[in-house]
Amino acid sequence: EAQVTQNPRYLITVTGKKLTVTCSQNMNHEYMSWYRQDPGLGLRQIYYSMNVEVTDKGDVPEGYKVSRKEKRNFPLILESPSPNQTSLYFCASRKTNRDTQYFGPGTRLTVL
Amino acid sequence: DQQVKQNSPSLSVQEGRISILNCDYTNSMFDYFLWYKKYPAEGPTFLISISSIKDKNEDGRFTVFLNKSAKHLSLHIVPSQPGDSAVYFCAASPFTGTASKLTFGTGTRLQVTL
Repeated sequence: EAQVTQNPRYLITVTGKKLTVTCSQNMNHEYMSWYRQDPGLGLRQIYYSMNVEVTDKGDVPEGYKVSRKEKRNFPLILESPSPNQTSLYFCASRKTNRDTQYFGPGTRLTVL
Repeated sequence: DQQVKQNSPSLSVQEGRISILNCDYTNSMFDYFLWYKKYPAEGPTFLISISSIKDKNEDGRFTVFLNKSAKHLSLHIVPSQPGDSAVYFCAASPFTGTASKLTFGTGTRLQVTL
């Protein structure tokens, strides 16, 4: 089954404690992205990647890092999480920049 | 700066009637537009798209209309069904030739009542 998986689905952490949210896709897609969804702000792109070792900033990259060492994985790293990073995070992938984008189920992160 | 705007946070429509969801954009470089549907506790799923070379695209009960001069697009759902109750996001992408960012609107919550 074609899918995008994210782990963990729910996470409560404290300010400053480094965390990683994993994302994996099994569709051999080149393009992968991370978004955050906040009330009244919709979905905002954090980072995206066009292929292995190729990443670029989205609209709200501050406080986040990503890496793309393998085609299927695109982890999101918060080196020093802060309460304003409390949000619902979605990973997504697509074959080309014109293809349908598939989203993961979301990770709800709370930073205390 | 919100480049893609959905000015109606919510919409309630009776089952069987038409639902019209609107979206406005400001960036003239956008040339590809998409609608996504999102149920609670799930990721968004693709619904329908339209390229700027067209002004209408239809897929079953869903039709997207694009008015480039007004920088406006709309999603029509006819007839509306209770299962259509969800949050709908409009998204836009500029053509850059290689990679492109996808900019989303803030979403419209559609409720289809019996």
